[in-house]
Amino acid sequence: QVQLVQSGAEVKRPGASVKVSCKASGFTFSNYYIHWVRRAPGQGLEWVGQSNPSGGGTHYAQSLQGRVTVTRDTSTTTVYMELSSLRSEDTAVYYCAKEGASGAKNFDFWGPGTLVIVSS
Amino acid sequence: QSALTQPASVSGSPGQSITISCTGTSSDIADSKYVSWYQEHPGEAPKLIIYDVSNRPSGISYRFSGSKSGNTASLTISGLQAEDEATYYCSSHTVTRPYVFGSGTEVTVL
Repeated sequence: QVQLVQSGAEVKRPGASVKVSCKASGFTFSNYYIHWVRRAPGQGLEWVGQSNPSGGGTHYAQSLQGRVTVTRDTSTTTVYMELSSLRSEDTAVYYCAKEGASGAKNFDFWGPGTLVIVSS
Repeated sequence: QSALTQPASVSGSPGQSITISCTGTSSDIADSKYVSWYQEHPGEAPKLIIYDVSNRPSGISYRFSGSKSGNTASLTISGLQAEDEATYYCSSHTVTRPYVFGSGTEVTVL
């Protein structure tokens, strides 16, 4: 069965960086886009970015461009999301999500989420 | 980028039908065949319940249905049940506005 296992909660100071991992199993990792989506306290969902299948391309939300980096390690079937120059507004639960079939443009399976708290 | 507009809350009695609207613009909802809906229970990850405007993934109850007209997409839950109490998010994807989400609607079963 599809599994997305995320790393544990993080507490960071403003200006620091955080790197969250998402280990995938139960499907052919190299065939699927993996996305990151976040939900700040009391807010709705916000798309962060994506890791493309084989080839390693990425695409990021315009609002986070320059601060977010998504990488993929095919040897361990793990996707990473690194966010730098953290601000209090980055406090959120970060989810990794598997896209449906190629070109589906939806998220058919989600990880449990990783809480990132940015606080001085 | 501003989120798609959803009502903050919708409520209904068991067995009733409710509809949640999701209003966007000509650059997102109106221009997209990729409208999705997600259900989120407290403490759980979101779950895909509608994709491509009106399609249900395997295992999702027929009581959930989706539609779209112009700038507005809608999710209808028929035969409302206690387990439907959750927050629902719409999402739209276009090349110019990738993966925009709604603000979320909290559904209460009275």
